[in-house]
Amino acid sequence: DQQVKQNSPSLSVQEGRISILNCDYTNSMFDYFLWYKKYPAEGPTFLISISSIKDKNEDGRFTVFLNKSAKHLSLHIVPSQPGDSAVYFCAASAGGNQGGKLIFGQGTELSVKP
Amino acid sequence: DAGVTQSPTHLIKTRGQQVTLRCSPKSGHDTVSWYQQALGQGPQFIFQYYEEEERQRGNFPDRFSGHQFPNYSSELNVNALLLGDSALYLCASSLRGYSNQPQHFGDGTRLSIL
Repeated sequence: DQQVKQNSPSLSVQEGRISILNCDYTNSMFDYFLWYKKYPAEGPTFLISISSIKDKNEDGRFTVFLNKSAKHLSLHIVPSQPGDSAVYFCAASAGGNQGGKLIFGQGTELSVKP
Repeated sequence: DAGVTQSPTHLIKTRGQQVTLRCSPKSGHDTVSWYQQALGQGPQFIFQYYEEEERQRGNFPDRFSGHQFPNYSSELNVNALLLGDSALYLCASSLRGYSNQPQHFGDGTRLSIL
């Protein structure tokens, strides 16, 4: 039972354009969502997060949007840079005694071409 | 500011053996979570330790066990290794595991079972 899904295994974008990575979830108890970036031979690096009480959070070139009714979140990267090429994972956690247990999607490999 | 450190970086074992992986959390963090990442998949939650106790557990058999020490460092033990245990094992640390805070990951231990 895949509670967090990233349906696009890969995405290719031109440098300077917008990258949009998508993530869907099924568990309505999730109240905290995160995006991580992973380079080969390194651990995931935290990028940005959003609480379920918000629908948007920005940090520099990165913006995360949350649509609770659709159980969908997206990560926008503007402008995209070649150094952004990596695998991106979305993750979610539920509150209460499930807090801290992250459920990850399968990842989307982003390639930003010069 | 030291991040999450894991040792060893690579390990080769044979079926039936036992293995111990080690993790030191980021400075100031008191909670350690362990994840297993198979090739092409997102990380899967194994368990989380806080105040030297296992607080949450994912869908992993009892062959997987852990420990947290008073200095917040942690070990992951896997007994009776199977070929399917070959994966990247990631340790993540955070502050007070029940709150909505990002987890910070180490670079992982690559375990290969022959």
